[in-house]
Amino acid sequence: NAGVTQTPKFRVLKTGQSMTLLCAQDMNHEYMYWYRQDPGMGLRLIHYSVGEGTTAKGEVPDGYNVSRLKKQNFLLGLESAAPSQTSVYFCASGHVVDGETQYFGPGTRLLVL
Amino acid sequence: KQEVTQIPAALSVPEGENLVLNCSFTDSAIYNLQWFRQDPGKGLTSLLLIQSSQREQTSGRLNASLDKSSGRSTLYIAASQPGDSATYLCAAIGGATNKLIFGTGTLLAVQP
Repeated sequence: NAGVTQTPKFRVLKTGQSMTLLCAQDMNHEYMYWYRQDPGMGLRLIHYSVGEGTTAKGEVPDGYNVSRLKKQNFLLGLESAAPSQTSVYFCASGHVVDGETQYFGPGTRLLVL
Repeated sequence: KQEVTQIPAALSVPEGENLVLNCSFTDSAIYNLQWFRQDPGKGLTSLLLIQSSQREQTSGRLNASLDKSSGRSTLYIAASQPGDSATYLCAAIGGATNKLIFGTGTLLAVQP
């Protein structure tokens, strides 16, 4: 059981470039989430998904798109990266049980120059 | 809108001291309250999850309490050790999709 994995671990982009962050979970979880963590801001929810083929906006969705074509994968896309998107991105997944915890991946560090 | 606040933002204590970290939340309609630990440059490690029907949870030297009516949770660390040095995050779990609302964390340094 690998749990929640994230690819890549670290990436440097130039302003305007695009990229996709991949999150994969092998726990058969329905719910999946993308967060960003910035100094002094805690973790903030970008987008989430309650099941295959469904996505919804979180607290800070602007500049990001997501897709959940397969239950085990949740992709986060940056179409035109900006320096303000320099952050650490965490993916998480969880069961459809009220109040159930989320299981976090190791994070992806993104630097946008 | 749920807001979660953690006080203090940073704390430095000598080894062996008992300490308390505080977390407050504005909306008492939560499912659960969870405490995480984060080491520098690492991901999140779940420490304790307190269900809304519980008042506290214990794991080893850690004890977390929850008072929904006052919107407060505390994490008590007994006999602190240098290995406890990390950032501690609390998060309120609520809503139909179990969204986590995080506090900004308390950076703990335990001096040998």
